[in-house]
Amino acid sequence: DAKTTQPTSMDCAEGRAANLPCNHSTISGNEYVYWYRQIHSQGPQYIIHGLKNNETNEMASLIITEDRKSSTLILPHATLRDTAVYYCIVRVAGIQGAQKLVFGQGTRLTINP
Amino acid sequence: GAVVSQHPSRVICKSGTSVKIECRSLDFQATTMFWYRQFPKKSLMLMATSNEGSKATYEQGVEKDKFLINHASLTLSTLTVTSAHPEDSSFYICSARAQFGGSEQYFGPGTRLTVT
Repeated sequence: DAKTTQPTSMDCAEGRAANLPCNHSTISGNEYVYWYRQIHSQGPQYIIHGLKNNETNEMASLIITEDRKSSTLILPHATLRDTAVYYCIVRVAGIQGAQKLVFGQGTRLTINP
Repeated sequence: GAVVSQHPSRVICKSGTSVKIECRSLDFQATTMFWYRQFPKKSLMLMATSNEGSKATYEQGVEKDKFLINHASLTLSTLTVTSAHPEDSSFYICSARAQFGGSEQYFGPGTRLTVT
């Protein structure tokens, strides 16, 4: 199973773009990169996912390097409500085909006023 | 978006008793649901995967007789912590994957269990 490496914590000023890096150098060709975030004492929230092309939705953009060994989640205009732990996950194929998500330690992002 | 609920949101029980936590997908049918636990300042740890109508698959080190999982319908899965002890106190979170559509998992808000 491909593992991910993320910085333990990051700070960003409100209104600026927050760029969260993730390394997944052992990712396989058919594995996707998923991003979730967890605000304190809540369940994780899905943000975005991608295979090899860059992706954008209403929440964020996902930039995946050409060799797919790393990616960056971009929150274009961070607000105080974006303060959370952000998890970069490579999807694994679990038992009986159920594709479970394995969470690492994530990056604690703090948005400062 | 897809909504997953959990009930109760908080529960306090005495050591030795059993506690049931419900996880419901409110606006979609979920063939697969997942149960996680999370200790303070730690990441989520997958406990088990449940598929509707079949037995749950437990992760290594998770006692299936202690954490009973039932996934009787496409919208409901339950986790029962049997003979709870203080070390079972944790944040329990479920997630559900839709029967149709994408592969995203949608998470419930979590249940805070405190065993006294």
